[in-house]
Amino acid sequence: GESVGLHLPTLSVQEGDNSIINCAYSNSASDYFIWYKQESGKGPQFIIDIRSNMDKRQGQRVTVLLNKTVKHLSLQIAATQPGDSAVYFCAEKGTTSYGKLTFGQGTILTVHP
Amino acid sequence: DTAVSQTPKYLVTQMGNDKSIKCEQNLGHDTMYWYKQDSKKFLKIMFSYNNKELIINETVPNRFSPKSPDKAHLNLHINSLELGDSAVYFCASSGGTDGRLFFGSGTQLSVL
Repeated sequence: GESVGLHLPTLSVQEGDNSIINCAYSNSASDYFIWYKQESGKGPQFIIDIRSNMDKRQGQRVTVLLNKTVKHLSLQIAATQPGDSAVYFCAEKGTTSYGKLTFGQGTILTVHP
Repeated sequence: DTAVSQTPKYLVTQMGNDKSIKCEQNLGHDTMYWYKQDSKKFLKIMFSYNNKELIINETVPNRFSPKSPDKAHLNLHINSLELGDSAVYFCASSGGTDGRLFFGSGTQLSVL
């Protein structure tokens, strides 16, 4: 069935380093992907999205890369800050899933000052 | 102004009780959702409503009954609560064609 997974459940970095969070997905029909950030006690917050007709999209300090050949998605955070510490989820949507987002396992990012 | 608000924030109750969680969105979105997040942070969709009509029901026990009185509200009623229902329940809404979801802050349900 559909699944979206992450290679690493935890990631620990020093403040100022760049972070890379990876995600593997199995549904080749997925056409839309989103990265969410969830801080403790809060709901997931949108970070950045990408459509399947793109392979890279940049935001403020964040970049999402999509490799459809190997069904891989990554989130790069530049100059990671302590405020970036959170759980990060990738999510995917298929073309006929009525807006349903399927979420990956989540990666805990910890940024040390 | 909170875009997607749900109440209560915390809910502690005994097994066998019936409880409700309420959700409201002021974004003008047509579609609303309930997601369940387990202790391992895994987020799984439960229900989705579009303009008050149920469009997604992901094999959720009959004890869970969503109700949408209008497109700005989606409530979740749970009968005969069980220990395994303990989780964080998130309401969300979407309105664009891209499928981006806007989440509420969650309701932490603890069944004792």
